[in-house]
Amino acid sequence: EVQLVESGGGLVQPGGSLRLSCAASGFMFSSYWMSWVRQAPGEGLEWVANIKQDGSEKYYADSVKGRFTFSRDNAKSLLSLQMNSLRVEDTAVYYCASLTGDAFDFWGQGTMVTVSS
Amino acid sequence: DIHMIQSPSSVSASVGDKVIITCLASQRIGNYLAWYQQKPGKGPKLLIYAASSLLNGVPSRFSGGGSETAFILTISNVQPEDVATYYCQQGQNFPITFGQGTRLEI
Repeated sequence: EVQLVESGGGLVQPGGSLRLSCAASGFMFSSYWMSWVRQAPGEGLEWVANIKQDGSEKYYADSVKGRFTFSRDNAKSLLSLQMNSLRVEDTAVYYCASLTGDAFDFWGQGTMVTVSS
Repeated sequence: DIHMIQSPSSVSASVGDKVIITCLASQRIGNYLAWYQQKPGKGPKLLIYAASSLLNGVPSRFSGGGSETAFILTISNVQPEDVATYYCQQGQNFPITFGQGTRLEI
């Protein structure tokens, strides 16, 4: 069974940092592009970032470019999202997801990030 | 950026009804279109990819169609467990973008 389990969310002040993790199991993790997608409270879905199977290519939404860094450890089947210079508008549930072709085929349950003073 | 516009924003149906949700893209996207179902408090679930391909295990009452700029998600014989918000998503270009969602009530 495919499982994606996010962790690391919490409350942080504006300008602060947070590191999210996503533990993957049940599939050939190293063969998949992986992604982060977020959802602000009561709002729709917003794509955040993609990373290639070997980590050699990364793509970011303009809203997070230069502040967020996406990485992966294929040996541990682990994703990380380092979030710096956090803003109030980064408040959201953050989901990790696997990407097959152009669709997100499996999703985690999400981890909540709240940026507030 | 490619903008995805869904309609309606919400729909109320009775059990057994047919529901059609429309998704319009601001540019041609071929068939790079996926549909997701999200139930309250849960992560989204992929229903349909490549505009019309049903993911294994998804009930056959869900179907998708369309190409380039106009797409539809059809739910035939709506069931109580279909209460959710549905999103379309384009994967033709970066940034990947989603529609604003359609809430289905029974």
